[in-house]
Amino acid sequence: GENVEQHPSTLSVQEGDSAVIKCTYSDSASNYFPWYKQELGKRPQLIIDIRSNVGEKKDQRIAVTLNKTAKHFSLHITETQPEDSAVYFCAASIGGATNKLIFGTGTLLAVQP
Amino acid sequence: DSGVTQTPKHLITATGQRVTLRCSPRSGDLSVYWYQQSLDQGLQFLIQYYNGEERAKGNILERFSAQQFPDLHSELNLSSLELGDSALYFCASGYGDTQYFGPGTRLTVL
Repeated sequence: GENVEQHPSTLSVQEGDSAVIKCTYSDSASNYFPWYKQELGKRPQLIIDIRSNVGEKKDQRIAVTLNKTAKHFSLHITETQPEDSAVYFCAASIGGATNKLIFGTGTLLAVQP
Repeated sequence: DSGVTQTPKHLITATGQRVTLRCSPRSGDLSVYWYQQSLDQGLQFLIQYYNGEERAKGNILERFSAQQFPDLHSELNLSSLELGDSALYFCASGYGDTQYFGPGTRLTVL
């Protein structure tokens, strides 16, 4: 069935370092891959997304890469700041008539000042 | 603020009871999605409505049901509640692929 694996489950970095979170999806029909940031007790907030016709997308300090052949996609955060500390979720969707999101298990990112 | 609203913010009830969670999508969005977030199951898709019609179902229990009204707001009904139903319930709305989440309803079943 549909599945998204996410690693690592926890990640601790020093302020200013880079952070990378990786996801693998199982359904080859998936064509939309968003990333959400969730602070404790808050809603998941969309931070960046990528579609299957694009290999990489960047928005300031955040970038996402997609390897459709390997069914991998990754989130890269550069120059991390304490306010980047949160749980990050990757997700995949096959789009079309039903855009249900299949989520990874989340990565708790801690940026140490 | 995503523009998606949910009420109530918190709900505390007893086992066996029934509750209704409400969601108003962003202006112009026809799709509403419901997700459940619990510590052991993570974020799980429950059900999607599009312009009043059910579009997709996930691992939604038979005790749970939902509907979307002509004004596009949606309600998630949870009945015969069990302790394990305690979770955060999120509604999301969107146009096309993108989904924006509401603030969630925290349900506690005692």
